[in-house]
Amino acid sequence: GAVVSQHPSRVICKSGTSVKIECRSLDFQATTMFWYRQFPKQSLMLMATSNEGSKATYEQGVEKDKFLINHASLTLSTLTVTSAHPEDSSFYICSARDQRGHEQFFGPGTRLTVL
Amino acid sequence: AQKITQTQPGMFVQEKEAVTLDCTYDTSDQSYGLFWYKQPSSGEMIFLIYQGSYDEQNATEGRYSLNFQKARKSANLVISASQLGDSAMYFCAMREGQDNFNKFYFGSGTKLNVKP
Repeated sequence: GAVVSQHPSRVICKSGTSVKIECRSLDFQATTMFWYRQFPKQSLMLMATSNEGSKATYEQGVEKDKFLINHASLTLSTLTVTSAHPEDSSFYICSARDQRGHEQFFGPGTRLTVL
Repeated sequence: AQKITQTQPGMFVQEKEAVTLDCTYDTSDQSYGLFWYKQPSSGEMIFLIYQGSYDEQNATEGRYSLNFQKARKSANLVISASQLGDSAMYFCAMREGQDNFNKFYFGSGTKLNVKP
């Protein structure tokens, strides 16, 4: 099946710093990628839809100036958490849909801890 | 209204027995897709099975089958012959429409524990 990678898998940072998370589709082109966050023992909540070559579409309640998304190529989308605070600590997961099939393929996730 | 409802926060099943995880959905679209994902403690989301709204037969993938009852808007996952490695969180999800940009709606999940 299609493979989606995320980097880094785990990051710890100080409050006030910015953190960039990369999401790559390794063996297919993804015009659309999705970014989710997941708090412990909760479901995945969609943050934004990332479209190659255009601005991301953010879900209600998600601050677009805080969570910057860039989808510069058909295989790479980045999420930057700007001026991170402890409440931003979460598990961030990206996904991409392989146009050959129906399912979305998820990256392995990035666990962000803000001290 | 919730798009996807999973009413079982946790389930126990004896190894080698079958278990059914419930999922109901809410949509007014005629075209939609239903998915089940497994999330072990490592956090990765593992795709299990897909059912399209126009599919007449229930989807099956190895030990996984999806009991699709369109009129009742339910898409229960059946795992046969449970294994210890099946212990994980299971999420039901729905995508409305067929377009590439259509987002997924996830249920709250069911934590399955397989007992030896």
